[in-house]
Amino acid sequence: EVQLVESGGGLVQPGGSLRLSCAASGFTFSSYWMNWVRQAPGKGLEWVANIKQDGSEIYYVDSVKGRFTISRDSAKNSVYLQMHSLRAEDTAVYYCARGYYYGSPGDYWGQGTLVTVSS
Amino acid sequence: QSVLTQPPSASGTPGQRVTISCSGNRSNIGSNDVDWYQQLPGTAPKLLIYTNNQRPSGVPDRFSGSKSGTSASLVISGLQSEDEADYYCASWDDRAYGVFFGGGTKLTVL
Repeated sequence: EVQLVESGGGLVQPGGSLRLSCAASGFTFSSYWMNWVRQAPGKGLEWVANIKQDGSEIYYVDSVKGRFTISRDSAKNSVYLQMHSLRAEDTAVYYCARGYYYGSPGDYWGQGTLVTVSS
Repeated sequence: QSVLTQPPSASGTPGQRVTISCSGNRSNIGSNDVDWYQQLPGTAPKLLIYTNNQRPSGVPDRFSGSKSGTSASLVISGLQSEDEADYYCASWDDRAYGVFFGGGTKLTVL
């Protein structure tokens, strides 16, 4: 059974940093793109970033470029999202999702982890 | 303003057929595949349709997808009360080098 479990969310002050983790199991992690998608309270879905199987291709939405970094560790079957210079508008539930190709947000999703940016 | 445009709401009565549209342009839907997602209240999104018209295993055949030019559609036939949810389309954009979602359509079963 495919499982994606996010962790690392919480309350952080504006300008602060946070690192999200996503532990994957139930599939061959090294064979899939991985995505982060977020959803602000009461709003729609917004794709944040994705990373190719071997990490050789990475893409970000414009609003997080230069502030967020996606990475993966095949030895740990995990994908990460390092977030710096956080803003109030980054407040959202962050989902980890498995992509079947670069253009897909995900065929399996985790349950999400809430990031709140507030003073 | 989303790159992909969906109607904010749709509705139907049980048993009816409902269509949700998703409009884009040549750099996204016109050049790439479309996925559709269903999000029930308080839950993570679930893949409903991939590669324009393919259903993952376990998704009822009441759900179907299509794409023509720069637009895509999700059709729900034989509407059921449990179909009440938010629905999102998504596609890659060749100019922006990223994945984009539509703004979402809230489906109400009357």
